[in-house]
Amino acid sequence: QLQLQESGPGLVKPSETLSLTCTVSGGSININGYYWGWIRQPPGKGLEWIGSIPYSGNTYYNPSLKSRVIISLDTSKNQFSLKLNSVTAADTAVYYCARQGRRVGVDYWGQGTLVTVSS
Amino acid sequence: DIQMTQSPSSLPASVGDRVTITCRTSQSINNFLNWYQQRPGKAPRLLIYAASSLQSGVPSRFSGSGSGTDFTLTISSLQPEDFATYYCQQSDTTPVTFGQGTRLEI
Repeated sequence: QLQLQESGPGLVKPSETLSLTCTVSGGSININGYYWGWIRQPPGKGLEWIGSIPYSGNTYYNPSLKSRVIISLDTSKNQFSLKLNSVTAADTAVYYCARQGRRVGVDYWGQGTLVTVSS
Repeated sequence: DIQMTQSPSSLPASVGDRVTITCRTSQSINNFLNWYQQRPGKAPRLLIYAASSLQSGVPSRFSGSGSGTDFTLTISSLQPEDFATYYCQQSDTTPVTFGQGTRLEI
């Protein structure tokens, strides 16, 4: 059974960079037809897609965040990562890592990790 | 971006009720429309993908239908564990977009 687990700091200062890693177990990220990505949810609000990357390495980002986001893969560790720079309080959210496909949607989710932006 | 209009935003219901949630997209999405359930403090769970395909392990009381730009999620007989928030999502084009959610409440 595929499992995804987020890790990283739960508190980030304004203007700094938010960095999270997702470790995938129970399967390989080197698989055709799927994308590995990040979705966030501010407290009490809805879901926002941040971006995704297939194992081939091309990246897709939400235009609203594109200037601040980098998503990358580390196939040797079966992990992928999120970096979001110049954060503000508006970036406070639960961040989920996920596996998605065009036809199947987001079929596997991490448990989510709350990241708070505060000084 | 493809806009998702989900309704209603909240839906009072009772155990045993049949309920329907609708999702309208701003353009055709080749039926790449998915439905998720989210319980408080938990990650969303995929229920329906490609408009009408039931995800493995999801009870058959959940069903999806629709095509083009209009889609529905139906729960045939509400169970206590179904009281949660439901989201639609299109996965046809990037950026992937979600509806604003429907809170199903007792």
